[in-house]
Amino acid sequence: EAQVTQNPRYLITVTGKKLTVTCSQNMNHEYMSWYRQDPGLGLRQIYYSMNVEVTDKGDVPEGYKVSRKEKRNFPLILESPSPNQTSLYFCASSFRTANTGELFFGEGSRLTVL
Amino acid sequence: AQSVAQPEDQVNVAEGNPLTVKCTYSVSGNPYLFWYVQYPNRGLQFLLKYITGDNLVKGSYGFEAEFNKSQTSFHLKKPSALVSDSALYFCAVGPTSGYSSASKIIFGSGTRLSIRP
Repeated sequence: EAQVTQNPRYLITVTGKKLTVTCSQNMNHEYMSWYRQDPGLGLRQIYYSMNVEVTDKGDVPEGYKVSRKEKRNFPLILESPSPNQTSLYFCASSFRTANTGELFFGEGSRLTVL
Repeated sequence: AQSVAQPEDQVNVAEGNPLTVKCTYSVSGNPYLFWYVQYPNRGLQFLLKYITGDNLVKGSYGFEAEFNKSQTSFHLKKPSALVSDSALYFCAVGPTSGYSSASKIIFGSGTRLSIRP
């Protein structure tokens, strides 16, 4: 089954404790991206990757890091989480580009930073 | 600046009635336009897209959307609503020009659709 898998789905952590949210897709997609969803703000792009070893900042990259060492994986790293990073996070992938194709989304990761 | 507006936070419709969820956009050049749906505790799912061609686009679950270039709108419609259509709907636009246009789509803030039996 074609899917985007995120882990963990739910996480409560404390300020400053490094964490990683993993994302994996099994569709051989070139494009992957991370979004955060906050009430009233829709989805905002954090980082994206057009292919292996090619990553770039989205609209709200502060406090986040990513890497794309393999085509299928695109982890999101919070080096020192803060309460304003409490949010619902989505990983998405697309065959080639974001602006023309269908984005496939993971189920989401709800993060709470105390 | 490129943007998408969904003017209604919530739309309430009786089952069996037609529904419309509104979306307007502001983007340079000819846009690519999308609708996504989010059911509770799930990720977003693609409904339909407009790239070029016929202004009326048909998508999943009986939904359709009409591209209106003069009004810069892309409203989502369905002739007869179902209770199972209750969800959060996002309009999105894909830029076709400018730096890193291939790398993103811009989402609206979402409209919660509630269908009462």
